[in-house]
Amino acid sequence: GQSLEQPSEVTAVEGAIVQINCTYQTSGFYGLSWYQQHDGGAPTFLSYNALDGLEETGRFSSFLSRSDSYGYLLLQELQMKDSASYFCACPYSSSASKIIFGSGTRLSIRP
Amino acid sequence: DGGITQSPKYLFRKEGQNVTLSCEQNLNHDAMYWYRQDPGQGLRLIYYSQIVNDFQKGDIAEGYSVSREKKESFPLTVTSAQKNPTAFYLCASRERGAQHEQFFGPGTRLTVL
Repeated sequence: GQSLEQPSEVTAVEGAIVQINCTYQTSGFYGLSWYQQHDGGAPTFLSYNALDGLEETGRFSSFLSRSDSYGYLLLQELQMKDSASYFCACPYSSSASKIIFGSGTRLSIRP
Repeated sequence: DGGITQSPKYLFRKEGQNVTLSCEQNLNHDAMYWYRQDPGQGLRLIYYSQIVNDFQKGDIAEGYSVSREKKESFPLTVTSAQKNPTAFYLCASRERGAQHEQFFGPGTRLTVL
């Protein structure tokens, strides 16, 4: 089966750095994506890793290690507006036409 | 501006009634998806469609039905057979070849009274 595991909650301080981990188990691997969702809102795509290594997009970076079936999202210079839920996700199925989402990590930021 | 619209934003339904949630996109995307999200949970796939006039069941299709008569539209009907329909419903679409990125609508929050 397909599954993704991530911590349910993380707390950090404004201006700091936080890392949200994700481990996955999928039959066939097509990469790891990250989405952000504010309360009551729609998920929005943040980043994608198809290959091992670090992808940087402004204050957000995402890392993948396929040999460890592991990835993480790194958020730097945290701002209050970064308080949200973050989901890791993997495309799957024979044509990668579906995406499975982790259960989400709720990030709370303290002043 | 291109995007996905869902209506209504909030919907109340009496137990035993069917209700249809609208989803429209003008992104010219082939694939469209319906997800259900319960409080504090991830997204679970209900149905998806990769082309017009074709759709497949997702992981929790029981009690739901869909149609895909037009590329732009993918309505979801929540039937009275769905035992616990109160949830946040999200529609998404994806560009062909971009398996890793889905674009989401604003969602419909359905409450069964």
